[in-house]
Amino acid sequence: AQSVTQLDSQVPVFEEAPVELRCNYSSSVSVYLFWYVQYPNQGLQLLLKYLSGSTLVKGINGFEAEFNKSQTSFHLRKPSVHISDTAEYFCAVTVTGSARQLTFGSGTQLTVLP
Amino acid sequence: DAGVIQSPRHEVTEMGQEVTLRCKPISGHNSLFWYRQTMMRGLELLIYFNNNVPIDDSGMPEDRFSAKMPNASFSTLKIQPSEPRDSAVYFCASSLPRTGGETQYFGPGTRLLVL
Repeated sequence: AQSVTQLDSQVPVFEEAPVELRCNYSSSVSVYLFWYVQYPNQGLQLLLKYLSGSTLVKGINGFEAEFNKSQTSFHLRKPSVHISDTAEYFCAVTVTGSARQLTFGSGTQLTVLP
Repeated sequence: DAGVIQSPRHEVTEMGQEVTLRCKPISGHNSLFWYRQTMMRGLELLIYFNNNVPIDDSGMPEDRFSAKMPNASFSTLKIQPSEPRDSAVYFCASSLPRTGGETQYFGPGTRLLVL
């Protein structure tokens, strides 16, 4: 079975500063990796995903993530955050092949301060 | 595209009552997922359907929970009888599997409070 660890439950950062949200996964087989964002009182929205190919993945709203197989990580980054980026961010994994279930991390609350 | 539709958006009920949550997936999607989100346990997959057939219900907490998908455009999650510990946000998501790694599209959720 696979698992996801998000090391930081809360990340406060000032507006226009860079941010990195950390995600590590555990799996004995190949995986696909995802980052979702959840704004208050809303459902989850896909930010980006890694399926194969280039390890640097660009997503919506200026976010990007880098897949590092040796370190089993998929950290999310943004060079300059805005107040509107305040939300909860979830890393998720699914095994390649026929399985479709997503296993989510516990989430990281990003709070952008003025 | 209307996205995944869930109803009701909020539900307050008393312990012991039956609760039915509803979901309409995106048209053309043939996989549907029910998740529960709580502060203590985070996001948990309860059950998922492929082509209206339940594939994995190992996440359903107990017999009080049941889910159905009578057709490609409608699914229900029922809790009978409800208990205060069932209070959570319940999300429905749908996807169109092709080769793997398909995006799941989430509905806005149903916020359930059991008193």
